Amino acid sequence: DTAVSQTPKYLVTQMGNDKSIKCEQNLGHDTMYWYKQDSKKFLKIMFSYNNKELIINETVPNRFSPKSPDKAHLNLHINSLELGDSAVYFCASSQESRATNEKLFFGSGTQLSVL
Amino acid sequence: GESVGLHLPTLSVQEGDNSIINCAYSNSASDYFIWYKQESGKGPQFIIDIRSNMDKRQGQRVTVLLNKTVKHLSLQIAATQPGDSAVYFCAEKGGGYQKVTFGTGTKLQVIP
Repeated sequence: DTAVSQTPKYLVTQMGNDKSIKCEQNLGHDTMYWYKQDSKKFLKIMFSYNNKELIINETVPNRFSPKSPDKAHLNLHINSLELGDSAVYFCASSQESRATNEKLFFGSGTQLSVL
Repeated sequence: GESVGLHLPTLSVQEGDNSIINCAYSNSASDYFIWYKQESGKGPQFIIDIRSNMDKRQGQRVTVLLNKTVKHLSLQIAATQPGDSAVYFCAEKGGGYQKVTFGTGTKLQVIP
């Protein structure tokens, strides 16, 4: 039973296309996240949702639109893909983002390659 | 936000030796610190954490040390094993809805 599962694991697409990545967690957590990891392994937060409500929105191009239909799901839609969007995208969840001792549980990542 | 120009630091350790991975954190207001381990092809996984009112915490084969004066965090792994080979990240967090911020990561290579 995978705690945080995201699909697809690999995504290869052409510049200009629109694509979505899906994420689901079965941990009963209230908060979900999208992180982007570049080729140097640097992890940067993109978005955070708490109980379907957006609470963190970093300086991310508005081509990226997260959607949380319920607290167990957080999807990421990307419009007009660019070469610089190539990265590994990680979904994560935590029990409560306001808790100081917040532990993140990560999915296994989606490797996006834009050609 | 990209780490352009930065290298991923690498630490090579002989199997059985102890490993020490260091991290300098940025926010003096952070009050919670975490170490994550990321194996190849997987997401980061929680290893151990420490709150700012402590300076040392021990787990199974791992110890985290916190020096708030110089904003330094370290992870010690005793008797390093091949399965410890991974990228290790320190992360910090303040209170409330503050985000968890990750450091640049250190790659640990265990030499059999």
